[in-house]
Amino acid sequence: NAGVTQTPKFQVLKTGQSMTLQCAQDMNHNSMYWYRQDPGMGLRLIYYSASEGTTDKGEVPNGYNVSRLNKREFSLRLESAAPSQTSVYFCATNSGLPGGNTIYFGEGSWLTVV
Amino acid sequence: AQSVTQLGSHVSVSEGALVLLRCNYSSSVPPYLFWYVQYPNQGLQLLLKYTTGATLVKGINGFEAEFKKSETSFHLTKPSAHMSDAAEYFCAVTPNYGQNFVFGPGTRLSVLP
Repeated sequence: NAGVTQTPKFQVLKTGQSMTLQCAQDMNHNSMYWYRQDPGMGLRLIYYSASEGTTDKGEVPNGYNVSRLNKREFSLRLESAAPSQTSVYFCATNSGLPGGNTIYFGEGSWLTVV
Repeated sequence: AQSVTQLGSHVSVSEGALVLLRCNYSSSVPPYLFWYVQYPNQGLQLLLKYTTGATLVKGINGFEAEFKKSETSFHLTKPSAHMSDAAEYFCAVTPNYGQNFVFGPGTRLSVLP
């Protein structure tokens, strides 16, 4: 049982390049999230998808786009990467059902923009 | 709106000493509360959570936390620190309908020999 799988794990981009971070879950969860983690700032929500076919902005959506391709997959795209987007990105899921749900995280994707 | 504060970005304790990591939250609705642990270069793992019922919650690796509504706190404790506890710890809150998790800034725990 893989849980939440992110690819790639490491990536170096030049300023202005584009790339897509992929996330897939095998937990049959409704909700999926993309967070970024920066030193001293904890995790900040970029976008989330409460269910297949819906996406919503989080706290820091500028410079990103997302696609909820199907129930399993939720991708994050950087159209024109900037050094400020150097960060560790985490995909996460939860069931989306009412009541004390745990959020499960992928292993992270380390992105450096030079 | 919800928010989470964690007092102390870095806490150091000696091996065998008490671990106390502080978390305070604000929430306009009854919250669910979580502690996650992150080891270097890894994702976050659930340590424990409070949903309903008993306010003292036990988690993995000997950690526990107590929900105190009057103090809007959910502090994490462990009676005796072990070297393997060195990690970053995040407190999180979500309203009881389960969306919009908000994380605190994290506390890095160092355990000294």
